[in-house]
Amino acid sequence: GIQVEQSPPDLILQEGANSTLRCNFSDSVNNLQWFHQNPWGQLINLFYIPSGTKQNGRLSATTVATERYSLLYISSSQTTDSGVYFCADTPGNQFYFGTGTSLTVIP
Amino acid sequence: EAQVTQNPRYLITVTGKKLTVTCSQNMNHEYMSWYRQDPGLGLRQIYYSMNVEVTDKGDVPEGYKVSRKEKRNFPLILESPSPNQTSLYFCASSLPNEKLFFGSGTQLSVL
Repeated sequence: GIQVEQSPPDLILQEGANSTLRCNFSDSVNNLQWFHQNPWGQLINLFYIPSGTKQNGRLSATTVATERYSLLYISSSQTTDSGVYFCADTPGNQFYFGTGTSLTVIP
Repeated sequence: EAQVTQNPRYLITVTGKKLTVTCSQNMNHEYMSWYRQDPGLGLRQIYYSMNVEVTDKGDVPEGYKVSRKEKRNFPLILESPSPNQTSLYFCASSLPNEKLFFGSGTQLSVL
């Protein structure tokens, strides 16, 4: 299977700050997705982004499939953004997840 | 409301006692899958199903069984649970090459 590396592993931000999370893949990107796991354990799909850029409110994501990476931008962070962010891809029909970026936003 | 429903939310059992975790989706999704989440390891796929009667192994299938007799249901079966299967389990579903939606999770403890 593919290897998925996420960076940074941990991030602490003051409320209002911006951040960039990165996901690198060992093979070509096909069906890249970003997820947020909130402190209660719920996993929410943020983006399905095999290529290009998408925006949803304060969040945006960019995938450069040819260079095998994706970036998640969080602007004007809020305490509700805290949690763990995962990226995942499916080279075939099997999903491979990174080990996540743990984000803590401090008021 | 569109959702993936897992039951139970919490389960404590003993080694060797067969158990089933149910998963149901109401979005008519072809693709369904199971994952386990362990600290430091992220989510690892156990099994997935592309459609009714079609199932395939993921990265960590040992000790688990699944079946897909109906499109909406995809139960996870542990026929002889062991302590190393203590974990947080998630079911998920999607249309082909579209967003993956997760259930609320099942915290399993095997004593």
